[in-house]
Amino acid sequence: GESVGLHLPTLSVQEGDNSIINCAYSNSASDYFIWYKQESGKGPQFIIDIRSNMDKRQGQRVTVLLNKTVKHLSLQIAATQPGDSAVYFCAETLNTGNQFYFGTGTSLTVIP
Amino acid sequence: DVKVTQSSRYLVKRTGEKVFLECVQDMDHENMFWYRQDPGLGLRLIYFSYDVKMKEKGDIPEGYSVSREKKERFSLILESASTNQTSMYLCASSLLQGWGTEAFFGQGTRLTVV
Repeated sequence: GESVGLHLPTLSVQEGDNSIINCAYSNSASDYFIWYKQESGKGPQFIIDIRSNMDKRQGQRVTVLLNKTVKHLSLQIAATQPGDSAVYFCAETLNTGNQFYFGTGTSLTVIP
Repeated sequence: DVKVTQSSRYLVKRTGEKVFLECVQDMDHENMFWYRQDPGLGLRLIYFSYDVKMKEKGDIPEGYSVSREKKERFSLILESASTNQTSMYLCASSLLQGWGTEAFFGQGTRLTVV
């Protein structure tokens, strides 16, 4: 199977600071990437996605950066809030495929 | 909003029981997936289906089977539950393929086998 991993299993940030969550992927053919947020007791929820023909995509307070050269993906959360505390997963897939490969997740804790 | 609904949030079953986990999606998605989620291991794919009556093994199919008789419903079956199948089970659905076809997840079923 594919290998999608996260550099840090846990991350603690002060409320109001920016958070950066990293992800490495192994399949250079992957062309679609997704970040999910999973709050305690809930299923993962879509945050933002990016296609391989892009380097950066911005959403509301979130930015995803893709570096295909080193097969690295990151999620940046601006002005982190207590409600951002959750586990964050990256996922990779092929546009022509129908399977998703998930990382193990990073647990983000926001300190008030 | 896309809705993926799993029939139970919590289940407690005895070793050796046959267990059914049900999942229904309301967005006419072709793909449906069953994952299990364990601490430190992330999401691992058990089975997926890309069409009615079609199924494909994922990474950890042993001890499980699935059924997809209708497009909107995908069932996971534990033929004879064992304690190592205690886990969080997540169902997901997506469009067949193409850009923007992210997976939508249900709320999860936490299964405990005693």
